[in-house]
Amino acid sequence: SYVLTQAPSVSVAPGQTARITCAGDNIGSKTVHWYQQRPGQAPVLVIYYDSDRPSGIPARFSASNSGNTATLTISRVEAGDEADYCCQVWDTSGEHVVFGGGTKLTVL
Amino acid sequence: EVQLLESGGGLVRPGGSLRLSCAASGFTFSTYAMSWVRQAPGKGLEWVSSISGGGDYTFYADSVKGRFTISRDNSKNTVYLQINSLRVEDRAIYYCAKDSRDCGGDCPAENFQHWGQGTPVIVSS
Repeated sequence: SYVLTQAPSVSVAPGQTARITCAGDNIGSKTVHWYQQRPGQAPVLVIYYDSDRPSGIPARFSASNSGNTATLTISRVEAGDEADYCCQVWDTSGEHVVFGGGTKLTVL
Repeated sequence: EVQLLESGGGLVRPGGSLRLSCAASGFTFSTYAMSWVRQAPGKGLEWVSSISGGGDYTFYADSVKGRFTISRDNSKNTVYLQINSLRVEDRAIYYCAKDSRDCGGDCPAENFQHWGQGTPVIVSS
């Protein structure tokens, strides 16, 4: 079955840029979606279809997908960005949704 | 405004059953795939099951196949998850989620744009 791998944690100072990666075999051939989840809250879709932002998501959030790695980039990080971030794909071969294990973003 | 309201969670003994419901509003329910996603305490998100808008296509995670059944009633704007043969490892918050695409009713869920607040399932003897 298809596997998505994320680093458990990333730390960044306020105002800096955070990059959260999601690794998978030829993930560039798949469509990646990204979610933000703050403690005690339901997840929020922050990026869909590799790099599109749903309405209401700040332009500070961007993403790319190529080769074996998809990347979520958060520019000018704010304290309110501290959350877990998770990538997701639809695996057409197995007809399964696959989530990455999630990355905890800490704002120092 | 899209709203998803889950219900039906609770405390159940191993081997028991529950039926979760998710009442939807604010969109044309029958043309969107719907899903259930769960999150065990302190763990990440785990996809459970999805159903196409028309209800003709269903998909399940290997961990629940044969024990869980997803269904929907488009006349009631409600999606269900029948959970049988519950195991301790099924303990989680169960979220109902809506796909971002209006594809007319025949496509699987690709993502989860809108989420409910979740309903807890606790499996304990």
